[in-house]
Amino acid sequence: NAGVTQTPKFQVLKTGQSMTLQCAQDMNHEYMSWYRQDPGMGLRLIHYSVGAGITDQGEVPNGYNVSRSTTEDFPLRLLSAAPSQTSVYFCASSYSLQGDYGYTFGSGTRLTVV
Amino acid sequence: SQQGEEDPQALSIQEGENATMNCSYKTSINNLQWYRQNSGRGLVHLILIRSNEREKHSGRLRVTLDTSKKSSSLLITASRAADTASYFCATTSGGGADGLTFGKGTHLIIQP
Repeated sequence: NAGVTQTPKFQVLKTGQSMTLQCAQDMNHEYMSWYRQDPGMGLRLIHYSVGAGITDQGEVPNGYNVSRSTTEDFPLRLLSAAPSQTSVYFCASSYSLQGDYGYTFGSGTRLTVV
Repeated sequence: SQQGEEDPQALSIQEGENATMNCSYKTSINNLQWYRQNSGRGLVHLILIRSNEREKHSGRLRVTLDTSKKSSSLLITASRAADTASYFCATTSGGGADGLTFGKGTHLIIQP
């Protein structure tokens, strides 16, 4: 099993450009989420999805869009990149087991906006 | 805002010693989880403790939870150089499927 796969691993964007960070999981997990990690900080939740066709905002959603057309994929879109979006982005998938939620994280995408 | 704070922010100990790090959180939780992050890598799940549990063990890890104080501690016994990493606590609340809320982490350095 590949687990959670994020692409690309590194990306440099110019201010104002758009791009999509890809996230795919092969564990048939129902739930998926996106986080950003800034230096010296823990991860902060951007958006999450509790199933195909259902998404909601997290703590820091501004400047990002998501969609969930399939169980496997949960892409994160930056419509007009800003330097403040320079960060490392992590995608996670999760499942419920007897009321506990187990999370598996991807290896991250390091994004620099210049 | 982030749920909690880890304490200390950084910890340096000798190999073989025990490492203890603490986490505080602000709201009621379903469970609390600890993750390890090696430099430049993704997060690895270490252990989960439910809100109705007080202590849990996994190998060299021991986690405690005090819901009255909204705090948790992670103890790593007999530390090894490979334990050098950042450690984060994360909580779920509400339904639990709506993502994790992380603390800022403790950076642990094990000196050989």
